[in-house]
Amino acid sequence: AQSVTQPDIHITVSEGASLELRCNYSYGATPYLFWYVQSPGQGLQLLLKYFSGDTLVQGIKGFEAEFKRSQSSFNLRKPSVHWSDAAEYFCAVGAETAGNKLTFGGGTRVLVKP
Amino acid sequence: NAGVMQNPRHLVRRRGQEARLRCSPMKGHSHVYWYRQLPEEGLKFMVYLQKENIIDESGMPKERFSAEFPKEGPSILRIQQVVRGDSAAYFCASSSRTSGGIDTQYFGPGTRLTVL
Repeated sequence: AQSVTQPDIHITVSEGASLELRCNYSYGATPYLFWYVQSPGQGLQLLLKYFSGDTLVQGIKGFEAEFKRSQSSFNLRKPSVHWSDAAEYFCAVGAETAGNKLTFGGGTRVLVKP
Repeated sequence: NAGVMQNPRHLVRRRGQEARLRCSPMKGHSHVYWYRQLPEEGLKFMVYLQKENIIDESGMPKERFSAEFPKEGPSILRIQQVVRGDSAAYFCASSSRTSGGIDTQYFGPGTRLTVL
C-alpha cells in the first residue's frame, strides 16, 4: 500500500525567507505526486504535480518541487515566502495500480512571521 | 468556468439524523471522488464514482454511508444516523478521464459537518 509522510507538522518562516516542505512517499513503482495548498476554511488548490519527465516541477504561486527517486522524496520549495503563503500544505501520491484515489500526507501548517 | 461546487458549505445535524452532501463536478468532468478530513488530519479517500457507477468504495465505512452519482444532477454523499464521530470536513473532487496514468483531481470548497 502506498503511504505519504510529511515529517513537519508546523513550520514558521519569516516573510521573504525561503521555504522547504518535506514529503516522503512509500510506493514500489513510479508514483504520481501532487502538492495541494489549503487556506483556512477553504478547499484544496493544486500547486503542482509530477507524472514523469523533468524531476524539477514548476507550479503556481512561485512554488517548485523536486522528485528524487533515490530518496523517495518530493519536497516543495519557494525562494521567498509572502504572508499570503500561510496555509496548510498537503503532499499526495497516486498510482495506476490504485486506481485514481490519492493518498495524502498529514499536512504541514506554515506560519509566516512579518 | 465554475470549479467544483459543494453544498451546503456548513451542515449541522443532531445525532441520529441524516446528512446529505452534494457535489457538482467541474464542467466536462465525469469522475467524482469523496474524501473526509478529520480535525488536524489529512484527507482520507472514501469513494470514487463515475456517472451511475461506483468504481472504488474501498474507503467508505461499511455502515450508514452511501454515495451516488446519477445520470443527471450532482453526486450525493449520504450519511444515515449520524454520530459525533462523523463530524469532519467532506471534500469532493472531480476529474476528466485521461488516456493514461491517473487523473488530476480538482477539489471543491468542502462541506463542514458538525454533529451535535
